[in-house]
Amino acid sequence: GQNIDQPTEMTATEGAIVQINCTYQTSGFNGLFWYQQHAGEAPTFLSYNVLDGLEEKGRFSSFLSRSKGYSYLLLKELQMKDSASYLCAALDSNYQLIWGAGTKLIIKP
Amino acid sequence: IAGITQAPTSQILAAGRRMTLRCTQDMRHNAMYWYRQDLGLGLRLIHYSNTAGTTGKGEVPDGYSVSRANTDDFPLTLASAVPSQTSVYFCASSPTETDTGELFFGEGSRLTVL
Repeated sequence: GQNIDQPTEMTATEGAIVQINCTYQTSGFNGLFWYQQHAGEAPTFLSYNVLDGLEEKGRFSSFLSRSKGYSYLLLKELQMKDSASYLCAALDSNYQLIWGAGTKLIIKP
Repeated sequence: IAGITQAPTSQILAAGRRMTLRCTQDMRHNAMYWYRQDLGLGLRLIHYSNTAGTTGKGEVPDGYSVSRANTDDFPLTLASAVPSQTSVYFCASSPTETDTGELFFGEGSRLTVL
């Protein structure tokens, strides 16, 4: 079956760095997405990886290893506004998005 | 402001009643989707439409129906609501069904079925 695994919850300190991991098993693969979702709001797109390696976008970076079925989202210089859930999703061979349950990130002062 | 509009934002509904959640986008995107989001679970696809006039079933289509009469509108109907359909419903769109750009989500409709 198809599956996405990511930690349920993580806690980090303001100003620090945090890495949120995601492993996936899908029927075929056409890319890996990360979304941010603040409580009570809609998910918003953060990043997309289809090739192995690191994609950097400001304070946020996303990494993909296709051979390992693994991705991570790296958040640097954490701010209180980064407190949110982070959703990992993989695009399968039918271009259907398979979603993880999300990682709730709690930022402490 | 361009984007996706959902209505209603929130609704409490008696079991057995019929309910339609509305979704309208003004981005001229071809593909549209309906998801439900429940605590502890990932977003689950209910129905999708790759282009006006076509629809398809997602992961959890039972008890729901959709139509896509034009590019902009993609309503979701619960013919006879049941308590297990209590959830937050998100409508989303993308330029095409294979587009690797991001999904654009509406603000969600919180539905409670009693």
